[in-house]
Amino acid sequence: NAGVTQTPKFRVLKTGQSMTLLCAQDMNHEYMYWYRQDPGMGLRLIHYSVGEGTTAKGEVPDGYNVSRLKKQNFLLGLESAAPSQTSVYFCASSYQAEGNQPQHFGDGTRLSIL
Amino acid sequence: GQNIDQPTEMTATEGAIVQINCTYQTSGFNGLFWYQQHAGEAPTFLSYNVLDGLEEKGRFSSFLSRSKGYSYLLLKELQMKDSASYLCAVVDSNYQLIWGAGTKLIIKP
Repeated sequence: NAGVTQTPKFRVLKTGQSMTLLCAQDMNHEYMYWYRQDPGMGLRLIHYSVGEGTTAKGEVPDGYNVSRLKKQNFLLGLESAAPSQTSVYFCASSYQAEGNQPQHFGDGTRLSIL
Repeated sequence: GQNIDQPTEMTATEGAIVQINCTYQTSGFNGLFWYQQHAGEAPTFLSYNVLDGLEEKGRFSSFLSRSKGYSYLLLKELQMKDSASYLCAVVDSNYQLIWGAGTKLIIKP
């Protein structure tokens, strides 16, 4: 009963390093999302995907790239990490965007950029 | 701009009732979600409203007034495990979720 799985759970990077966060879902959902959550702020959408092979920019896409080569996986990349990207990153998936279909979240990746 | 307002923090007593309010101003409206998030964990779905009125689900109820841009989450018979943050999110005209910053609910014995 995995649902949405994120790896890694924790990571510390130095400024300028790159890394990829992996999200996998086993619910056959079409839609997948990457959010960041910062203290005192609501979840902010970074990028999202409405199906395999598609990606789109959200509210705060700068400094991040994504890929959705397989329906079950959604990757978030940081090309050159900056301290402002220190955050908790959540991946989510949903069956569709319309109607009462909730988004299901992974446990998050806690990322610190030094 | 788009804005979701919730109180930052609330305190209530075990066994009591608490109401968490959410007001919103968004570009379009296609529904409102409430999520629960325990510290250090993922948000989990609680309720969804798209029509005016009250939706009841066990100890939790959610109310919506679209004309007032207002919703509330009502928690009854509070238990210690209800200590968490409660997130309000509105589905905008592009079917994207706009999230409030969340209300941290502290339950005291």
